[in-house]
Amino acid sequence: QKEVEQDPGPLSVPEGAIVSLNCTYSNSAFQYFMWYRQYSRKGPELLMYTYSSGNKEDGRFTAQVDKSSKYISLFIRDSQPSDSATYLCAMSGNTGGFKTIFGAGTRLFVKA
Amino acid sequence: GAVVSQHPSRVICKSGTSVKIECRSLDFQATTMFWYRQFPKQSLMLMATSNEGSKATYEQGVEKDKFLINHASLTLSTLTVTSAHPEDSSFYICSAPRTSGANEQFFGPGTRLTVL
Repeated sequence: QKEVEQDPGPLSVPEGAIVSLNCTYSNSAFQYFMWYRQYSRKGPELLMYTYSSGNKEDGRFTAQVDKSSKYISLFIRDSQPSDSATYLCAMSGNTGGFKTIFGAGTRLFVKA
Repeated sequence: GAVVSQHPSRVICKSGTSVKIECRSLDFQATTMFWYRQFPKQSLMLMATSNEGSKATYEQGVEKDKFLINHASLTLSTLTVTSAHPEDSSFYICSAPRTSGANEQFFGPGTRLTVL
């Protein structure tokens, strides 16, 4: 079993739809949770960063962490064609060198 | 957010040659940088952790003599792929945490290596 599981997709939605991206994990030591967006042939860009359980909102993006279920989500409201990219979840434990583990990434296509 | 640059963005080389990739933190100092490789439609695979002033830490299965890492200053780490072969063709990406010990990383734009 991988430490972080993420459905690679692809996920195709119409413009304006609400997108839900998810990851599950097995290591209860993870406390820091990130979502990155990666456009084709580019480096990943940090979208959201959360610590422990709870919700965090930034514009059209909402990140949710449920540590009891070991489940994290990223919601994108009013999706746009420019949101078409691969979304990677990532997580790590305490600071001090604990490795960041990435999900496989979900490819999202938002159709105009 | 913090800015990390990589050079070159793309390189094509013949089998057996060595290729050097630079990773720079432009507006902050990075005592630690990370090197990843990414194959098409796959996630990032950590290759090694680059430490300023000391030896890099390599992940299991990564040949340290093939992938030479030098972290010469607080803003520069280099990855040299020695005696490159076609199977080394990949997308190489570096990253750095904004502050020492921080968990969120900022990534460079990546270097696409093609070995003929």
